[in-house]
This record gives sequence, structure tokens and C-alpha cells, in this order.
Amino acid sequence: EPEVTQTPSHQVTQMGQEVILRCVPISNHLYFYWYRQILGQKVEFLVSFYNNEISEKSEIFDDQFSVERPDGSNFTLKIRSTKLEDSAMYFCASRSSQGTQYFGPGTRLLVL
Amino acid sequence: AQSVAQPEDQVNVAEGNPLTVKCTYSVSGNPYLFWYVQYPNRGLQFLLKYITGDNLVKGSYGFEAEFNKSQTSFHLKKPSALVSDSALYFCAVRDLTSGTYKYIFGTGTRLKVLA
Repeated sequence: EPEVTQTPSHQVTQMGQEVILRCVPISNHLYFYWYRQILGQKVEFLVSFYNNEISEKSEIFDDQFSVERPDGSNFTLKIRSTKLEDSAMYFCASRSSQGTQYFGPGTRLLVL
Repeated sequence: AQSVAQPEDQVNVAEGNPLTVKCTYSVSGNPYLFWYVQYPNRGLQFLLKYITGDNLVKGSYGFEAEFNKSQTSFHLKKPSALVSDSALYFCAVRDLTSGTYKYIFGTGTRLKVLA
């Protein structure tokens, strides 16, 4: 069964550094998403991406964040200058034609 | 504003007993409702969804959920709990104001099944 994959599984970085989180969505899906889950809190929408552009973003997704689909398979989330409060689990998801989102295993980001 | 509430932070149930994890929603229109499960250090796994049709929806691992429009609820149920069902469960609703089908998640309910 196809699944969404994410790399790395864990990332530790220093405050102010740039990080890139990678995702490979399910191949025939067209809509992609990033969510984040701060430890012990709920899952929050960050951004959705369709047809090579952002289709919607939340207030969390400020200028420090960007997304890209550099090739036909990868979908990346970049945080330009990480802050302590960016520490969270980041989930990528892709959506089937029936409307169900399938999530990757997540990347746990720790900003020191 | 559209929202999802999971009123219980944790639910404890004995193995073999029925379990219920509660979810209520508030949307302006017909809801699209989902349940996901998160095991430790894992992603969110899709369990089931309600879009339309039969109010009782059956999903993975023996779980089912009942859509109740009058009570605006979508409780997750299982007739006989297993220790391996212990996990974090999230209810989600599709944001109907969004053109991108993004989800609004509840805060999650930790289910603990005791042997």
C-alpha cells in the first residue's frame, strides 16, 4: 500500500539555522499539506500546496516558512531561521481524490 | 468558526470492554468527519471517515463511529478493546470554508486499555 514518507525522522538544530524537511507524497495525489504538532498540543494546519503553488496558509506560516516541490516526487518545508518555538513534530500529508488525507510519520524538530 | 472538540484528555478502559472516544463538531454545513490514530513516535493513521450516507461508519482495526447530526457528534467506538488499541486518537473535520480541504483537528484523546 502506498504511503507518505518523510525525512529525516529527527532533526536537531541551533536557533537561527535553516532546516529543510522533506516529504514524498503518494504518487497520484495532487494536494499536499504540512501540519505541525507541538508536544502535547493539537495538530495545526500550516499550508496546502496544489499545482506548484501555495493554495492556502495559516497565520503560523509566516515569512520564515516556505514550501517547494523541486521535482516530481519531493515536497519540502523550509524554515529559514528557526526559533525555539518551532520545535514540534511536522507532518506532511497528501490527499486522495476521495478527500482523505494520508499522513507521513513526521519529523521531530528540536531547536536549541 | 468551525471547530472540533474532544472533551476527554484520556479514556481508560479494561481489555475486552467496549470503548467510546467522544468527538463533537461545529460546522456551518454538512460535515466531513475523520478519525485518526497516532501510536508513539508514529504519524497519524487514518481510521475512518463520514462523508454522507449511513450514520454508522466502519473503519480499520474493528473501529466504528456513529454520526449523530442532532447532537453534532461523531463518537469513535469499538465493541471489545485490545491493549494494542492504546494510542492517541484525533477527530478531525474538513474545513468547509477552505477551498483546499484542510483539516481542523481536535485536541486528541489518549486511550489506555488496561490488561
